Amino acid sequence: GAGVSQSPSNKVTEKGKDVELRCDPISGHTALYWYRQSLGQGLEFLIYFQGNSAPDKSGLPSDRFSAERTGGSVSTLTIQRTQQEDSAVYLCASSSLLDTQYFGPGTRLTVL
Amino acid sequence: GNSVTQMEGPVTLSEEAFLTINCTYTATGYPSLFWYVQYPGEGLQLLLKATKADDKGSNKGFEATYRKETTSFHLEKGSVQVSDSAVYFCALFISNFGNEKLTFGTGTRLTIIP
Repeated sequence: GAGVSQSPSNKVTEKGKDVELRCDPISGHTALYWYRQSLGQGLEFLIYFQGNSAPDKSGLPSDRFSAERTGGSVSTLTIQRTQQEDSAVYLCASSSLLDTQYFGPGTRLTVL
Repeated sequence: GNSVTQMEGPVTLSEEAFLTINCTYTATGYPSLFWYVQYPGEGLQLLLKATKADDKGSNKGFEATYRKETTSFHLEKGSVQVSDSAVYFCALFISNFGNEKLTFGTGTRLTIIP
C-alpha cells in the first residue's frame, strides 16, 4: 500500500518568508510525528499528533513553528519568518497506536 | 531522560567483512528498540526492531538482540555488501501517554568498498 508522502520534496526560500510543509500519513494511522534532521543536531523530535490533537509539542524549537492536523489525516507544519538555522530535512512519520513509525521521504528546506 | 548512544562513524569495511555497530541506551521503563537505515538520497527505513528483552530482530541479513542486562542493541551482519552502504540509526521508543516519540542515536555512516 501507499507509504507516507510529503510535499514539497525540496523548498528553497528567502529568510523571513513563511513556509508550509505537508505530510500525508499511511491510511488508518492515528499517530503522526514530525522530526527534523540537520547536520549539527541529528534527528530531533518536533511534535506528535494522536488524531487531530497534539499532546506533545515539546520539540518545537520556537513559536515560529506550528503544526496542525485535520480530519485525523493530513498534517501541515508551518514555519513563520524563516531563519537560516531552520534549514534542514523535515521528516514525517506515522504509526498505528504505539506501533512502529514509518517515515516519509522528507522535505529538504533551504533558507537563503 | 531517555537517550541512545551509538558507535561513532564513519565506518569503512571491505565487502564480505563482518559488521558490528554498537548501540546502548538509557531509558526509564521498558523501551522498544529499533534500527533504521537511510540509503543515500532516501528517507529513513525501518531495518529491524525488538520489543522486549532477549528478542532478536532480523532483516536483510542484519540482526540485533535486545539485551536488558547490558542495555544494548548492537547491529550485526555476517557478510556486508556494497549495497549496505548507508547511515544507520539506533532508536528507542517508550509509550508514556502524551509523551511518545522516537529517541535517536547520532547515526553511523557505513561505507563498503568492493
